[in-house]
Amino acid sequence: DAGVTQSPTHLIKTRGQQVTLRCSPKSGHDTVSWYQQALGQGPQFIFQYYEEEERQRGNFPDRFSGHQFPNYSSELNVNALLLGDSALYLCASSFGGGQRNTEAFFGQGTRLTVV
Amino acid sequence: AQSVAQPEDQVNVAEGNPLTVKCTYSVSGNPYLFWYVQYPNRGLQFLLKYITGDNLVKGSYGFEAEFNKSQTSFHLKKPSALVSDSALYFCAVRDLTGNQFYFGTGTSLTVIP
Repeated sequence: DAGVTQSPTHLIKTRGQQVTLRCSPKSGHDTVSWYQQALGQGPQFIFQYYEEEERQRGNFPDRFSGHQFPNYSSELNVNALLLGDSALYLCASSFGGGQRNTEAFFGQGTRLTVV
Repeated sequence: AQSVAQPEDQVNVAEGNPLTVKCTYSVSGNPYLFWYVQYPNRGLQFLLKYITGDNLVKGSYGFEAEFNKSQTSFHLKKPSALVSDSALYFCAVRDLTGNQFYFGTGTSLTVIP
């Protein structure tokens, strides 16, 4: 049973470019959340997708957008990259979301470096 | 708003000694609390959770946590530390909607052989 898989594992981009990160949730899960973990910090919630819609969003600008596909996989897009966007981006999957969300499983993350 | 605090950036313990990693919480309503561990250049691994019930929660790899409502704490413990337990530990709380986790800043645990 595959866990949460993310791709790519590492990525280097230039300021102003756009990036797309991908996540496949754990088998049986239908909800995907994205987190940003800056160096030396705890993960910060970006947004959550359920039934192909953004259900909740954290305090991130509109440059951060996402998508969920019918197979529950998800993409995180970041436009107009800034140096401060350099971080580990974590995908978490769960089932149902809302009050049924009693556990989240995380992928290994994508390390994004903006130069 | 929900939040957790990890007062110690770094904890050092000798191999074989008991370990404690501290976490305090601030929540509206019933707390849903979690501990995760992160090894270098890896994602977060779930250790244990408190939803309701017994105040002592047992989790993976011999870890346990004690929920203390009066002290608003949820400390992670292990009776006998292993060198392989050296990692970054995060306490987290779920928000009221259930959609979002709030994480602490992490505690780096080093187990000295």
